[in-house]
Amino acid sequence: GAGVSQSPSNKVTEKGKDVELRCDPISGHTALYWYRQRLGQGLEFLIYFQGNSAPDKSGLPSDRFSAERTGGSVSTLTIQRTQQEDSAVYLCASSLAWGSYNEQFFGPGTRLTVL
Amino acid sequence: EDQVTQSPEALRLQEGESSSLNCSYTVSGLRGLFWYRQDPGKGPEFLFTLYSAGEEKEKERLKATLTKKESFLHITAPKPEDSATYLCAVHAGGTSYGKLTFGQGTILTVHP
Repeated sequence: GAGVSQSPSNKVTEKGKDVELRCDPISGHTALYWYRQRLGQGLEFLIYFQGNSAPDKSGLPSDRFSAERTGGSVSTLTIQRTQQEDSAVYLCASSLAWGSYNEQFFGPGTRLTVL
Repeated sequence: EDQVTQSPEALRLQEGESSSLNCSYTVSGLRGLFWYRQDPGKGPEFLFTLYSAGEEKEKERLKATLTKKESFLHITAPKPEDSATYLCAVHAGGTSYGKLTFGQGTILTVHP
């Protein structure tokens, strides 16, 4: 039984470059969430998917951030023209469906460092 | 705006020394309060969900309780392997679609 997986585990990039972060949710989970965790901070919500649609994008910090989900499964978070303040751990979570009765299972995260 | 505040920021205990972590919240219509454990370099691991004031849940040495304004995570006779960051999060009502609002966490260190 595989859990949520994310790739790459670590990404170092130069300021101004674009990066793509990938999330493979648990099979059968329809809800998928992206969070950001800055050093020493709690998790900050970015975006939520139900199937392939994103009814809640309220946490995306700027238009440099975008995400998509295909086939109701894999999701990609893209950050364009990265800035140093984008450095953080990006965590993906999935749940059977949306709502508090469905616990969210987290992946190990992608640590992004922008030089 | 939903807010979650955890205290203390860090807690150092001797093995066997029981204590409690606090999570205070301000939300419009609490749907659920969650506790997670996070080890260094890993994603959060689910511990408990509490839905209404007065509810309690237990798992090994951990016990979570909920009131209308806060939640406590009680740790009884902790062991060094309980060392981790403990995160509290809330799911509020409205159109939040299940997104969680997290506190900043409490770093627990248990010394042998």
